[in-house]
Amino acid sequence: QKEVEQDPGPLSVPEGAIVSLNCTYSNSAFQYFMWYRQYSRKGPELLMYTYSSGNKEDGRFTAQVDKSSKYISLFIRDSQPSDSATYLCAMSGVTSGGYNKLIFGAGTRLAVHP
Amino acid sequence: NAGVTQTPKFRVLKTGQSMTLLCAQDMNHEYMYWYRQDPGMGLRLIHYSVGEGTTAKGEVPDGYNVSRLKKQNFLLGLESAAPSQTSVYFCASSYLTGGGNQPQHFGDGTRLSIL
Repeated sequence: QKEVEQDPGPLSVPEGAIVSLNCTYSNSAFQYFMWYRQYSRKGPELLMYTYSSGNKEDGRFTAQVDKSSKYISLFIRDSQPSDSATYLCAMSGVTSGGYNKLIFGAGTRLAVHP
Repeated sequence: NAGVTQTPKFRVLKTGQSMTLLCAQDMNHEYMYWYRQDPGMGLRLIHYSVGEGTTAKGEVPDGYNVSRLKKQNFLLGLESAAPSQTSVYFCASSYLTGGGNQPQHFGDGTRLSIL
């Protein structure tokens, strides 16, 4: 079983829809939860991060963490064609020789059509 | 403002050939990383470095070697390429451990095919 599970999609939605992206994880030691966005043929870029449980909002994006259920979500409101990308969840907090391991989900491909 | 630069962007190799992937960052980051990205597998850590002159193994280190002779550069070597090493390789860097408030910054990848 992978430490982080993420539905690969693809997810296709019309412009203006609310998008929900999710990841589950198995390691209760994870403390930092991140979402990276990756456009085609580009490297991932950090979109949002959350420490421990709770919600964080940034414009049209909201990140939620439920540590009791080991479940994180990213919501995109009023989705735009420019949001079409692969979204990777990532988690850290497990040390290994002093290094804070960052574990990525496989990524969910999102397509927002006009 | 280049950030993380990877060269080359594309490469095709024959089985058994060797090559070196180059990564350079201009953000004065201490930590640097090499990942590979395969369909359905996400990003998997190959090797990483916590500072100039240091390297350590990640999740999938077999068949790869690395060197960090200068703080700004991190090299990934394939000594004898195998078809299983066909992948997209990403280099990343961060100030410290890459936790939530110290994000990893990625290059745009090197697409490597081994025939």
